[in-house]
Amino acid sequence: LAKTTQPISMDSYEGQEVNITCSHNNIATNDYITWYQQFPSQGPRFIIQGYKTKVTNEVASLFIPADRKSSTLSLPRVSLSDTAVYYCLVGKNTNAGKSTFGDGTTLTVKP
Amino acid sequence: GAVVSQHPSWVICKSGTSVKIECRSLDFQATTMFWYRQFPKQSLMLMATSNEGSKATYEQGVEKDKFLINHASLTLSTLTVTSAHPEDSSFYICSARAGDSTIYGYTFGSGTRLTVV
Repeated sequence: LAKTTQPISMDSYEGQEVNITCSHNNIATNDYITWYQQFPSQGPRFIIQGYKTKVTNEVASLFIPADRKSSTLSLPRVSLSDTAVYYCLVGKNTNAGKSTFGDGTTLTVKP
Repeated sequence: GAVVSQHPSWVICKSGTSVKIECRSLDFQATTMFWYRQFPKQSLMLMATSNEGSKATYEQGVEKDKFLINHASLTLSTLTVTSAHPEDSSFYICSARAGDSTIYGYTFGSGTRLTVV
């Protein structure tokens, strides 16, 4: 399973765009990249998943360069409620449940 | 979207007793569910993979006789912490995949806070 590396923490202010980058140098050809958000005392919540280039949904964008050795989660115009831990996971689409959770990035949004 | 219901959300038990945690997929069938444990300020650690109709697969270092997993139907997996001790106090979370993972990813339950006194 590919190991991921993320910044331990990030601070931002309301209304700003936040970009969290994840390194996954050993990503395999058939691995997908998935990002989750977790609030204290809750289970993680799916944010976005991608394989290559760019994926966008109603809450975030995911940018994946051609070599796929990293990915960037982009949160547009964050609010205080976006304060949470964000996890980047890499694994096979059909077996992502076994993907290893790294340490995650604690994002703190300030007023 | 897909919903995974986990019950109870919190439980306090005496040392030496057993506790059962339920994980249900409410609007989809899940042949495979996963159980995680999370200690304070730490990441999630996969404990085991629950397979409907067959034995669970445990990760290295997880005692299968202590953490009993039963996946008797396509919508229910249970984790029983047997002879619980204070060091088993943790946040337990289950997850399952609904349909196309590229759309939904894996859906997680809301977690169970276990405190052993």
